[in-house]
This record gives sequence, C-alpha cells and structure tokens, in this order.
Amino acid sequence: GAGVSQSPSNKVTEKGKDVELRCDPISGHTALYWYRQSLGQGLEFLIYFQGNSAPDKSGLPSDRFSAERTGGSVSTLTIQRTQQEDSAVYLCASSSHGGFNSYEQYFGPGTRLTVT
Amino acid sequence: AQSVAQPEDQVNVAEGNPLTVKCTYSVSGNPYLFWYVQYPNRGLQFLLKYITGDNLVKGSYGFEAEFNKSQTSFHLKKPSALVSDSALYFCAVRENNNDMRFGAGTRLTVKP
Repeated sequence: GAGVSQSPSNKVTEKGKDVELRCDPISGHTALYWYRQSLGQGLEFLIYFQGNSAPDKSGLPSDRFSAERTGGSVSTLTIQRTQQEDSAVYLCASSSHGGFNSYEQYFGPGTRLTVT
Repeated sequence: AQSVAQPEDQVNVAEGNPLTVKCTYSVSGNPYLFWYVQYPNRGLQFLLKYITGDNLVKGSYGFEAEFNKSQTSFHLKKPSALVSDSALYFCAVRENNNDMRFGAGTRLTVKP
C-alpha cells in the first residue's frame, strides 16, 4: 500500500520567505510526527499529532515554526521568515495506535529545504 | 520525559566481524524501544522493536538487540558485519503514550 508521502521533495527559498511543507500519512494512521535532520546530524523532534488531541509542540525551535493537521490526515509544516539555519531535511512519520503491530513509525522520504 | 543516548558517533568494524551499536535510555515507565536504519540518500527504515516478552529481539537483515532493564540499554548487534550494513543507525524510545524520541545516531562503517 501507499506509504508516507511528502512534498515538495526539494525546496530552495530565499532568506525571509515563508515555506510550507506537506505530509500525507498512511491512511488510518492516527499519529503524525515532524522531525528535522540537519546534515550529518540526528533527528530533532519538532511536533506530533495524535488523533484529536492537542498536538505536542514542545520540539518547535521558535515561533516561526507551526504545523496543522487537517481532518486528522494531511499535515502542513509552515516556517515563516526562513533563516539559513532552517536548512535541513524535514521528515514526516506516521504510526497507528493500539495493537502489537503499532508503535513503529513509517517515514516519508523527506523534504530537503535550502535557505539561501 | 523519555530520552535516549547513543554514546558513539561512529563505529568502525571489519567485514565478517561482529558489530555492536550502543543505546541507553531513560524513561519513567515501561519503555518501548526501536532501532531504525538510514542508508545513504534514503529514508529511515524500521529494523526491530522491543515491546514486551523476550529480551532478545531479532529484526531485519540479521540484526538483533538485547533489552537490558538493569542497565537501561538496548544495544544493536550483528554476528557478522557486511559492507552493505554501512549506514546511520538510530535508537528510539517511547513510553506509554505515542510520543517517540530518537537518539543522535551512530554512523556504522564496515570495511572490506
């Protein structure tokens, strides 16, 4: 079946511009996560959504970052007034909830953001 | 909040030798532990997980990991490394909710 998809795959933007990154999770997965991976670095947690609960925004690095999840499915990560340090690969993952085969996350291919 | 540490940034082994990639965790409740692998220019792939049951967990590509509660560790192992195992490995931990935290990653290089 279809996996997690993200768009665009690559985004080059000028410093100060706003960008929107999209994530389509696996159908039926109630949990959705955003991470950031800088070149050669580990995964930095940004935000996670679980069903209709309030999202956990504890990983967002500044108020320039925000995310929405509409209808419990598609999510958009928005970065306002981009800075060069925002350059990274932004990864989205989803997981099901409940049952032994749940818990592991399925990752999308990522969006490579370059701020010039 | 849960956290996970991977004390080695880099692990180098010779092909055919056993490999170990270390991971320790911190949780207040019962841990759910995972290993993921990221091959060059590819997305993260799930390798194995420990939820409950046997402490030794077997996963994809011949990898296994041992859950050690007293040492709060979940080291990844393979008896005989392959050059194709060279990749970035991430340990992750989840508590009794759906929130997961990843380690910083360990780059494994297997030399012929």
